[in-house]
Amino acid sequence: KAGVTQTPRYLIKTRGQQVTLSCSPISGHRSVSWYQQTPGQGLQFLFEYFSETQRNKGNFPGRFSGRQFSNSRSEMNVSTLELGDSALYLCASSLLLWTDTQYFGPGTRLTVL
Amino acid sequence: DQQVKQNSPSLSVQEGRISILNCDYTNSMFDYFLWYKKYPAEGPTFLISISSIKDKNEDGRFTVFLNKSAKHLSLHIVPSQPGDSAVYFCAGRGSQGNLIFGKGTKLSVKP
Repeated sequence: KAGVTQTPRYLIKTRGQQVTLSCSPISGHRSVSWYQQTPGQGLQFLFEYFSETQRNKGNFPGRFSGRQFSNSRSEMNVSTLELGDSALYLCASSLLLWTDTQYFGPGTRLTVL
Repeated sequence: DQQVKQNSPSLSVQEGRISILNCDYTNSMFDYFLWYKKYPAEGPTFLISISSIKDKNEDGRFTVFLNKSAKHLSLHIVPSQPGDSAVYFCAGRGSQGNLIFGKGTKLSVKP
């Protein structure tokens, strides 16, 4: 069974631009969560989607948004990029909303110049 | 406030010996705890979990211990192998189902 895939793997943007990241969960998984990893803050939860609905949201500004499609694929969007948005963005999928195990993709490395 | 703390940013252990990674938490509402391992340029890989109603869970060389009264959990790796060298994250599952991670401990296992 294929794992979680994320595209693109690397991205370079400039301040003020917007970016869209994509995540394809493991086949059959219906929940997708997004995390931001930075050296200083570790892994921080952004939001979780299940059945095309945002079920849970972390403490990030409204510039960070996401959506989930009917095939469970998810996209994350960051508008008006700031230098501090440079990070590794990780997507994780799980079978159900309350499952104990989330499986992570390799991440998208975003660099904001 | 940091709900999950991994106070040791790094740990160095000799091959064949025991590695003990520690994690403290403040949120007594966590119902599940998980350990993930992360290699550079890869996403975290699930290692082992434990329910808050248990105090020990074992899977091969990996054992997780939970002390609820002390709000402390630990991961034991016995025997440690060079391939275990990675960053280890502990996480608690909150009441909304989301995972709250510690900042990680970098384990180096020396041959």
